[in-house]
Amino acid sequence: QLQLQESGPGLLKPSETLSLTCSVSGGSISTSGFYWGWIRQPPGRGLEWIGSIFNSGITNFSPSLKSRLTMSVDTSKNRLSLKLNSVTAADTAVYRCARHDNFYDTSGYYSNWFDPWGQGTLVIVSS
Amino acid sequence: SYALTQPPSVSVSPGQTASISCSGDNLGDKYASWYQQKPGQSPVLVIYQHNKRPSGIPERFSGSNSGNTATLTISGTQALDEADYYCQTWDSNTVLFGGGTKLTVL
Repeated sequence: QLQLQESGPGLLKPSETLSLTCSVSGGSISTSGFYWGWIRQPPGRGLEWIGSIFNSGITNFSPSLKSRLTMSVDTSKNRLSLKLNSVTAADTAVYRCARHDNFYDTSGYYSNWFDPWGQGTLVIVSS
Repeated sequence: SYALTQPPSVSVSPGQTASISCSGDNLGDKYASWYQQKPGQSPVLVIYQHNKRPSGIPERFSGSNSGNTATLTISGTQALDEADYYCQTWDSNTVLFGGGTKLTVL
């Protein structure tokens, strides 16, 4: 059974760089066809997609975060990494990783979904 | 930019059918997925590719998508279905989530 576990600093000061890791167990991050995504959720609010990465390193980022974002994959350690620089209080959220599955139907329409999700790690940005 | 709109809250009596809508321009031309999130927990995929259920998701969960609206339907709603529900789609190389709907089972 695929499981994902996020780890990170917990507390950051404004302008610092957020670094998170997502460790994957029960399956290989190199499995063909899957992206791996990051999604965040500010306390009491909805879900926001941050970005996704293919095991080859191809990335797809949210336009609103793209300028501050770096993602990578370490296939030897079966884990993903996320770096978000110049954080502010608005970046306070629970950060989760998830397998990002996708499919093109016979008409060329694209479908994608996140399953499973990690339990998440709370990141607070405060001076 | 593309956006998905969900009602903030929906109420349903136990045993009745709950319908949660998700609206977006020509959403019927895209695939929609749905997630259930209970307090303090991570989201769980309940519907993908309009109307497919992952293993372990009860048959009472179903999805449809037409025109500008995708709908998550829960038949014979149970108290344990009380949760926040989010729709999700893809547009212009971007993943989009709806704002979420709180389902209350009264």
